[in-house]
Amino acid sequence: LAKTTQPISMDSYEGQEVNITCSHNNIATNDYITWYQQFPSQGPRFIIQGYKTKVTNEVASLFIPADRKSSTLSLPRVSLSDTAVYYCLVGGDLTGGGNKLTFGTGTQLKVEL
Amino acid sequence: EAGVAQSPRYKIIEKRQSVAFWCNPISGHATLYWYQQILGQGPKLLIQFQNNGVVDDSQLPKDRFSAERLKGVDSTLKIQPAKLEDSAVYLCASSPPAGRRLNTEAFFGQGTRLTVV
Repeated sequence: LAKTTQPISMDSYEGQEVNITCSHNNIATNDYITWYQQFPSQGPRFIIQGYKTKVTNEVASLFIPADRKSSTLSLPRVSLSDTAVYYCLVGGDLTGGGNKLTFGTGTQLKVEL
Repeated sequence: EAGVAQSPRYKIIEKRQSVAFWCNPISGHATLYWYQQILGQGPKLLIQFQNNGVVDDSQLPKDRFSAERLKGVDSTLKIQPAKLEDSAVYLCASSPPAGRRLNTEAFFGQGTRLTVV
């Protein structure tokens, strides 16, 4: 099971770009990389998912190098409402049993004015 | 589209009492997860169902925790008897069948906050 390592916390200011890097040295061939966001008193919410290279959606970009041993979540022009815990997950399908979703400790992002 | 529904939202019980949580996943979602999230930590998987079968319950304390998913839809998680260290938020999540993709998004409920005193 691929273990992930990410910074415990990060601070930023409104309008800046934030990059959170996650290490997953023993990622398996069929594992995807997924990021979730969690606000206090709420369940985690899916942000973005990728397998290799770059993925972009309306809220974030995900950069994955060729060796896939790390990934970087990029949040453009953050605002106060982006203050949350961000989790990097690595996992794949359990051969018909659904996806394995293993959370680490996450990165607490604090955005200030 | 309705989200994952959980009840109750809050529960306070005394140690050694029993408690049950209920989860109604998104319609059509085959995979259902129960997580335990202790304050300041990431969610920890307790049990994973695929339809009404258990896929992974390796981290479920089976001497006191039990879960079922009758008819592959709703699910209940029970703790009997509760201990002080069971104080946490219990999250339910569901995800659709993978289909042609290898991986899919999971949708989480708001959770049940359990306090054991």
